[in-house]
Amino acid sequence: LAKTTQPISMDSYEGQEVNITCSHNNIATNDYITWYQQFPSQGPRFIIQGYKTKVTNEVASLFIPADRKSSTLSLPRVSLSDTAVYYCLVVDDYKLSFGAGTTVTVRA
Amino acid sequence: EAQVTQNPRYLITVTGKKLTVTCSQNMNHEYMSWYRQDPGLGLRQIYYSMNVEVTDKGDVPEGYKVSRKEKRNFPLILESPSPNQTSLYFCASRTSGRGDGELFFGEGSRLTVL
Repeated sequence: LAKTTQPISMDSYEGQEVNITCSHNNIATNDYITWYQQFPSQGPRFIIQGYKTKVTNEVASLFIPADRKSSTLSLPRVSLSDTAVYYCLVVDDYKLSFGAGTTVTVRA
Repeated sequence: EAQVTQNPRYLITVTGKKLTVTCSQNMNHEYMSWYRQDPGLGLRQIYYSMNVEVTDKGDVPEGYKVSRKEKRNFPLILESPSPNQTSLYFCASRTSGRGDGELFFGEGSRLTVL
């Protein structure tokens, strides 16, 4: 199971861009990198997934360098409702473990 | 509507009284999984199932059992609950276990064992 490391917490202000970097040094060739968002007492929700380079959707961008040993989730112009825990997940088999995630707090 | 449904959502029980938390998905997903969430520990996988009649242990399987007799259902069984199993439990499903694709989560079941 590829282990991931991400910061425990990050603070930001409304309107700013938030970048969360996840390290996954042991990522395997077939692994995808996936990010989830979780609000208190709710199940995690899929944000974005990528294999290499850059992926963008309506809520976030995912940057993956050529060596794929890290990835960065970028949340543009955050609002108070983006306060949540964000999990980086690297899937290399059926064991999908989430770790502790990064708690992002957005302040007014 | 595509969803993963867990029941009960809230349960208070006593040590040793067997209980089952049900999980059902309506997306014809092959892969299903159970997680527990405790403060500061993130989500830890208890058991997962790759398909009907195929299950395997996750990171924290002790004290739990599962079964997958039908594709849509994946119940979590606590044969003899103990206070250290007090937690928030999530069921999730996905098209398959490997590669790309998103996990769909249920709304969670908060269990308290006294």
